[in-house]
Amino acid sequence: DAGVTQSPTHLIKTRGQQVTLRCSPKSGHDTVSWYQQALGQGPQFIFQYYEEEERQRGNFPDRFSGHQFPNYSSELNVNALLLGDSALYLCASSSQYYEQYFGPGTRLTVT
Amino acid sequence: DQQVKQNSPSLSVQEGRISILNCDYTNSMFDYFLWYKKYPAEGPTFLISISSIKDKNEDGRFTVFLNKSAKHLSLHIVPSQPGDSAVYFCAVCRTDSWGKFQFGAGTQVVVTP
Repeated sequence: DAGVTQSPTHLIKTRGQQVTLRCSPKSGHDTVSWYQQALGQGPQFIFQYYEEEERQRGNFPDRFSGHQFPNYSSELNVNALLLGDSALYLCASSSQYYEQYFGPGTRLTVT
Repeated sequence: DQQVKQNSPSLSVQEGRISILNCDYTNSMFDYFLWYKKYPAEGPTFLISISSIKDKNEDGRFTVFLNKSAKHLSLHIVPSQPGDSAVYFCAVCRTDSWGKFQFGAGTQVVVTP
């Protein structure tokens, strides 16, 4: 079992650009959550997807959007990138009311 | 609005001794609490959890204590081992909005020989 996988590992973008990050959940998991972890901080909840719909959302602007596919994989899209969007983006998968398993993250740098 | 606080950014402990990590939360509506461990270049790994109906949960060397009246939880690691050196995050959530975890800023634990 490969666990939760994320791509790419690292990404450098310019302010104003758009970015898409990808996540494949652990086998058997149907729920995907996305978190943003700034340097020196804990992960902050962005949103959660279940049955291809956004089920919950944290305090992030509409520039952050997502999608879940029928195979449960997920994408996180960020539009109009700001310097403050530079962070580690973590994807976590779970099966309903069980603990979340995290991927290694995508390090996004906005210049 | 920081609803979860880990006030000790770092902790150094000798191998074989006890490590005690603390976490405070502000909202009494949280009813499920977790600890995660993170190594560099890896995602957080689930360690142990406790629901609000209990005040203690034990799993091997790891014990989590919950004091609901003080809105405080702690993680005890006994005995500490060099492989325990990592960043530890506490996380809280409400079971009626399961999966929307709120994390503390983390405590860096260093276990010295």
